[in-house]
Amino acid sequence: DADVTQTPRNRITKTGKRIMLECSQTKGHDRMYWYRQDPGLGLRLIYYSFDVKDINKGEISDGYSVSRQAQAKFSLSLESAIPNQTALYFCATSSWTGAGETQYFGPGTRLLVL
Amino acid sequence: GESVGLHLPTLSVQEGDNSIINCAYSNSASDYFIWYKQESGKGPQFIIDIRSNMDKRQGQRVTVLLNKTVKHLSLQIAATQPGDSAVYFCAETYSGGGADGLTFGKGTHLIIQP
Repeated sequence: DADVTQTPRNRITKTGKRIMLECSQTKGHDRMYWYRQDPGLGLRLIYYSFDVKDINKGEISDGYSVSRQAQAKFSLSLESAIPNQTALYFCATSSWTGAGETQYFGPGTRLLVL
Repeated sequence: GESVGLHLPTLSVQEGDNSIINCAYSNSASDYFIWYKQESGKGPQFIIDIRSNMDKRQGQRVTVLLNKTVKHLSLQIAATQPGDSAVYFCAETYSGGGADGLTFGKGTHLIIQP
């Protein structure tokens, strides 16, 4: 979805390096999410943010941190990358309507940690 | 914790046939369900959603059925086309719980045979 962009799309890094994945959205949504996808494990929630001043840990937050710089920007950092953080990372946004929540995903960032 | 799961990891159908992808959920409090389609190299895309006060919802060539009694959700795709080849995820959430993101199933890979 072109309304949700992620940079970089691909990244190779070495163990111990700190890296940042960025996400931007033009949908005007308040809620933003970072997921990780591994083969056979589906999508797992890392962190989520309901607005600029709200940050919450998800299912697998250890080893990650996030920053909500603005309503439209939500970045994910790996403080000290390790090989088992090799995965496909997705950012998503949503707007709660009261009737339900539909999330819109970015194209993903493929990360390889050597 | 409770989770959403899919019965079959891979489903192969002939082009033009109808496809049925199944999903079981265990959280009886879940009241909003979504089906996503993920094509190779892309992020998940919203297909169709359904609230728990409905049993059936139809879209263009897709129908979602919800059986709350047995906590079962299905996605029916009519007259499958090559472009329907993808991994399909169901997701669920509880609208009254503040929504810490969706809980996703592991996915079913739909393969369309020519």
